[in-house]
Parts: sequence; structure tokens; C-alpha cells
Amino acid sequence: GIQVEQSPPDLILQEGANSTLRCNFSDSVNNLQWFHQNPWGQLINLFYIPSGTKQNGRLSATTVATERYSLLYISSSQTTDSGVYFCAVSYSGNTPLVFGKGTRLSVIA
Amino acid sequence: NAGVTQTPKFRVLKTGQSMTLLCAQDMNHEYMYWYRQDPGMGLRLIHYSVGEGTTAKGEVPDGYNVSRLKKQNFLLGLESAAPSQTSVYFCASRTSVKAADTQYFGPGTRLTVL
Repeated sequence: GIQVEQSPPDLILQEGANSTLRCNFSDSVNNLQWFHQNPWGQLINLFYIPSGTKQNGRLSATTVATERYSLLYISSSQTTDSGVYFCAVSYSGNTPLVFGKGTRLSVIA
Repeated sequence: NAGVTQTPKFRVLKTGQSMTLLCAQDMNHEYMYWYRQDPGMGLRLIHYSVGEGTTAKGEVPDGYNVSRLKKQNFLLGLESAAPSQTSVYFCASRTSVKAADTQYFGPGTRLTVL
């Protein structure tokens, strides 16, 4: 099956700093999504981005499908950005997502 | 519109006991999923369903059973709980096979098996 590796596993930032989270995957996929799990455990979808670039406020994501990686950028980080960020992929829309182990982000005021 | 709900939120079991976790969604979604989350392991798929009356195995199905008798409900059963099943369980649902459709998660159930 598909392997998903995320880096770094842990990241500590000062409020206002920028960060880049990386997701590598082992096979060609047609579905790639980024999720955020807040400190209370709730999981929220951030992006559907099998290729190209998208932006939503201070967050943006880029996927280079031919090289099998995706990047999540967080600019001007805030304490509310803390939590775990997961990358998840699948071969197609009707196959289940496979999750990476996540990057735990802590933003300190 | 409550989204995806899970019952119970917390549970403590003794080894060998059984229980059922209930997932309910009010969005008329076809697909439903059960995951477990362990420290440092991310989310691993236990079982999933592509519609009422259907179920399929995921990555870690052993020790669990599921049923999807009604479209809005997806039940996860543990027949004889083991300490290795101590975990946080998440249910999720989505509307169709289009990859862009968002997967919605429930709040999770924290299960401890002693």
C-alpha cells in the first residue's frame, strides 16, 4: 500500500514565525488532503490538493505530484495554529485515505 | 445539523468485556469510516462502509466488527476487549466518490481497556 511520511515530527515556533511542513508519498495518487487536529482532538480538513497550489488565509499548500511530495506553509503563526497536521492520500476518490503520522506544531506566545 | 456524532465520549473496559461504539451522521453521506489513533501512529483505518448494508476491512480490522444497517449509523463492536485496543477512536463520513469531497470527523471516543 501507499506509504506516507511527514516531516518534521515535531515543531516549536514563536508566534509570528513561518513554517513549512512536508509530506512524501510512495506512489502516484489522485487524492491528497491536509488536516489539522486541534489540541482538543477535533480533526478539520484544510485542503484538497492532489496537484498545484492553493491558499486559504495564512495557510497555503503545494503538491508536486510528479515528485510525490506536498508542502503545507503556515505564515505568521498564531497560538491557535497549534496541534497536529496530517497529510492523507489515496489512489482515487473511492479508496480510503491513508494518513501519515503527522507533524505536531506548538506555537508559543 | 449536528454533523458526525460519536457515543460514548469516554469508556473504560476490563479485558474480555464487549462494547459497541456508535457513529451517527445527519448529512446523508454514503461513505463512513472508523479509525483508531495511537500516540505517534497517526490515524489507521479499521473498517469502512461505502453504503447502507456494506462493510469492508481497513488496515487494522482484527478484533473489531462493524455494521451499517442504516445509512446514517455505523457501529463498531469489540467482542472481547484487549489492552492493545486502548486508543482514541474516530468516525468519519463523506458524501460521494469524488476525491474533492471533504471527509468530516466526529469528536472521538477515548477507550481504555484495563
